[in-house]
Amino acid sequence: ETGVTQTPRHLVMGMTNKKSLKCEQHLGHNAMYWYKQSAKKPLELMFVYNFKEQTENNSVPSRFSPECPNSSHLFLHLHTLQPEDSALYLCASSRDRGRTEAFFGQGTRLTVV
Amino acid sequence: AQSVTQLGSHVSVSEGALVLLRCNYSSSVPPYLFWYVQYPNQGLQLLLKYTSAATLVKGINGFEAEFKKSETSFHLTKPSAHMSDAAEYFCAVSEEGQGAQKLVFGQGTRLTINP
Repeated sequence: ETGVTQTPRHLVMGMTNKKSLKCEQHLGHNAMYWYKQSAKKPLELMFVYNFKEQTENNSVPSRFSPECPNSSHLFLHLHTLQPEDSALYLCASSRDRGRTEAFFGQGTRLTVV
Repeated sequence: AQSVTQLGSHVSVSEGALVLLRCNYSSSVPPYLFWYVQYPNQGLQLLLKYTSAATLVKGINGFEAEFKKSETSFHLTKPSAHMSDAAEYFCAVSEEGQGAQKLVFGQGTRLTINP
C-alpha cells in the first residue's frame, strides 16, 4: 500500500465511449502525475499538477483531459480513444518541492476496443 | 535535460547468483537517482534512492546501488537472487520542473530468475 489509490483497476471501453480514471492520494502531497506505460515503451509522463495547477502537458492528445479539483484527487477523462491508447495508466504523487521520490498507484489497465 | 539509459532490456540469472542491473544517467546538475521495481499488474515501488549523501545506497529486499560520478552510473545489485525478485526494474532521475519535480525513467530491465 503506497498511499495512492487508483480506480478502476481494469477498464474496457469502446472508441466512442467516455470514461474517467480516478486517483486519490493520502500522503499530504501537493504534486500529482499521470504516466502512460505501453508495452515495449518507456514510461511516458503525460501531465503534472502542482497545487491543483497543471504545470506540464507532455504533448498529450486532447482526447485525454485531466482534472485536479484538489491536491488529493486527480482524474483523467477519456473520450474517443484509439486502440493504440490501450496501456497501463499510472498515477503518482510527490512533495511539491525538491527532487524527491514519487509514490505510485497500482495503475488502471485500459483496453480500447 | 536529464536522461537515463538502462543497458539490457532482459537479464536472466540463476537463483542464488549475483544480480547486476545497469543504469547510466545524463544530467547537467548533481543528479537525484532512483530505482523502482514493478511486479506484474502492479504500480512502481521505490527500491532505493540517491540524493547526494552516501554513494552506496541500501534499499529494500537486499538491493543496493552505488553512485559513481566518474562513470555516470547507478547500477543496482543484489548478492543472491531470490525467485521473488523476478520483476521489471526501472532507473529514474529527478528533473526540476515548474514547481514540482518530475521523474525521467529508463526503459526498464526485466529480471528473470532461473531455479
